[in-house]
Amino acid sequence: QKEVEQNSGPLSVPEGAIASLNCTYSDRGSQSFFWYRQYSGKSPELIMSIYSNGDKEDGRFTAQLNKASQYVSLLIRDSQPSDSATYLCAVLPSSGSARQLTFGSGTQLTVLP
Amino acid sequence: DAGITQSPRHKVTETGTPVTLRCHQTENHRYMYWYRQDPGHGLRLIHYSYGVKDTDKGEVSDGYSVSRSKTEDFLLTLESATSSQTSVYFCATGTGPTDTQYFGPGTRLTVL
Repeated sequence: QKEVEQNSGPLSVPEGAIASLNCTYSDRGSQSFFWYRQYSGKSPELIMSIYSNGDKEDGRFTAQLNKASQYVSLLIRDSQPSDSATYLCAVLPSSGSARQLTFGSGTQLTVLP
Repeated sequence: DAGITQSPRHKVTETGTPVTLRCHQTENHRYMYWYRQDPGHGLRLIHYSYGVKDTDKGEVSDGYSVSRSKTEDFLLTLESATSSQTSVYFCATGTGPTDTQYFGPGTRLTVL
């Protein structure tokens, strides 16, 4: 069983809508959670990090964490065509040989003009 | 991108040949990582380093070795390349094991 699961998509939303990206993880003790954005042919870039239950907002982006449900999400408000990319969820497990950051396979988002 | 460069950016090689990829950073980050990215698998950790000459294995380390003789450089070597190692390789750096990782531009490697 993969430790970090994401809906692979593709997810399509119209311009101006809210895009909702979801991620579940298996290690209940995980403490650190990250969302990366990756444009086609480019490297991942950090959008948000979240460590505590609840919401964290940064501009049009909101990360939501629910540790009891082992669920982290990313909401993108007022979606723009420039938001079209693959979004990677990454989770730092609580223990293990090196506490290595574990990535989901990514959700491909397309924002339609 | 935290001042991270990777070389070469593209490489085509033949099965059985040795290949070395280089990652160079100017941020003085202590931690450096090598990942590979394949369709359907996301990013998978190959090896990482937590200091000069201090390295450890990741999830998919078989067939790869690494070296770090200076803070700024982290080398990934494929001793005898195989077609299954065709992938995009990303280097990343970070200040600590639980901190944000910053990614380099990537190297696209094709093994024929």
